[in-house]
Amino acid sequence: AQSVAQPEDQVNVAEGNPLTVKCTYSVSGNPYLFWYVQYPNRGLQFLLKYITGDNLVKGSYGFEAEFNKSQTSFHLKKPSALVSDSALYFCAVRENTGGFKTIFGAGTRLFVKA
Amino acid sequence: GAGVSQTPSNKVTEKGKYVELRCDPISGHTALYWYRQSLGQGPEFLIYFQGTGAADDSGLPNDRFFAVRPEGSVSTLKIQRTERGDSAVYLCASSLQGNEQFFGPGTRLTVL
Repeated sequence: AQSVAQPEDQVNVAEGNPLTVKCTYSVSGNPYLFWYVQYPNRGLQFLLKYITGDNLVKGSYGFEAEFNKSQTSFHLKKPSALVSDSALYFCAVRENTGGFKTIFGAGTRLFVKA
Repeated sequence: GAGVSQTPSNKVTEKGKYVELRCDPISGHTALYWYRQSLGQGPEFLIYFQGTGAADDSGLPNDRFFAVRPEGSVSTLKIQRTERGDSAVYLCASSLQGNEQFFGPGTRLTVL
């Protein structure tokens, strides 16, 4: 069965600095990996995904993520954080076996300080 | 176009009562998912549909929970004999063939 771990409950970063939100996964076979963001009082929004191909994927709002198969990781990154990036971030995984069951991590709260 | 909608936005019920939560997915999305999210936690998978059929209901916590999608569009999550532990935000999402999911605003269920 697939699983996702987000080891940090909260990440604090100063505006303008690079940010990383960590995610590791466990899945049989090749994974489909996703990042979603949840702003206060708003629904979950898709940020980016890895299906196949280039290990570095780019998404919305300047975010990118790097797929590392050997480390089973899919860390979310942004070169320069904005205060408006402060939100709850979720990593998600599904198996590439024909089913669409998707498992989400517990979430990491990103706090960007001005 | 319209996004995923869920009704009601809030539902307060008494322990032991029956509730129905409705989800209207994005038109043309074949996959529909239900999740439960407790405060400070990630979405917990409950069930997903591919078309009209429940493709995977392994996340439903017990037989008090049931979901249907009779015409392959709108879905209803049904909870019988509600318990206080069922209180959470119930999220619905839809997608095209298992790609990125589009989430509704959720239904906040409170069981007194």
